[in-house]
Amino acid sequence: DTGVSQDPRHKITKRGQNVTFRCDPISEHNRLYWYRQTLGQGPEFLTYFQNEAQLEKSRLLSDRFSAERPKGSFSTLEIQRTEQGDSAMYLCASSLLNGGTTDTQYFGPGTRLTVL
Amino acid sequence: DQQVKQNSPSLSVQEGRISILNCDYTNSMFDYFLWYKKYPAEGPTFLISISSIKDKNEDGRFTVFLNKSAKHLSLHIVPSQPGDSAVYFCAASNYGGSQGNLIFGKGTKLSVKP
Repeated sequence: DTGVSQDPRHKITKRGQNVTFRCDPISEHNRLYWYRQTLGQGPEFLTYFQNEAQLEKSRLLSDRFSAERPKGSFSTLEIQRTEQGDSAMYLCASSLLNGGTTDTQYFGPGTRLTVL
Repeated sequence: DQQVKQNSPSLSVQEGRISILNCDYTNSMFDYFLWYKKYPAEGPTFLISISSIKDKNEDGRFTVFLNKSAKHLSLHIVPSQPGDSAVYFCAASNYGGSQGNLIFGKGTKLSVKP
């Protein structure tokens, strides 16, 4: 059983550097989501894709954040010119929306970003 | 403005007893609710969900109750086991989740003592 996988699990970077995270969804899932979680908070929605189309990106935290899912399979989340406030856990989730009435998201293990 | 609230940051329960975790929401458009469990350094794990057309859903030791008039849901774990110790998140969405984003509460840390 291959669930959602994320790489890397941990990333330490210096302020001002660019970072990119990868997410591989559950293989038959057509939807992929990115969330951010900071200490003491629940996950905060950032963006999501249905197949390769990015259907919502207004919640991305700033124009330094971008996401892609070029072939409708894996996705990348890039943060440019990182700031210390970007330090957080970045979570990816996937789901299969197949015409049913509900859509359940399954999460990966997350990427812990530390910006020094 | 928190649309999903978990007002108890922590809960401690004896092994074998019932754990009750509570969640309140403010948006009457929410129609699909989920509970996730999270261990440290791991992603949230889906536990159980409920649609607003129901008031109860059971899966083994886990039962979720929904009171739409009070905008309140609860997760019951019976019997509680030490392995249930984790942070539990309540999440909500509208249109059954088909619009994409889940709104999460801040979580309740459950400790089950042997």
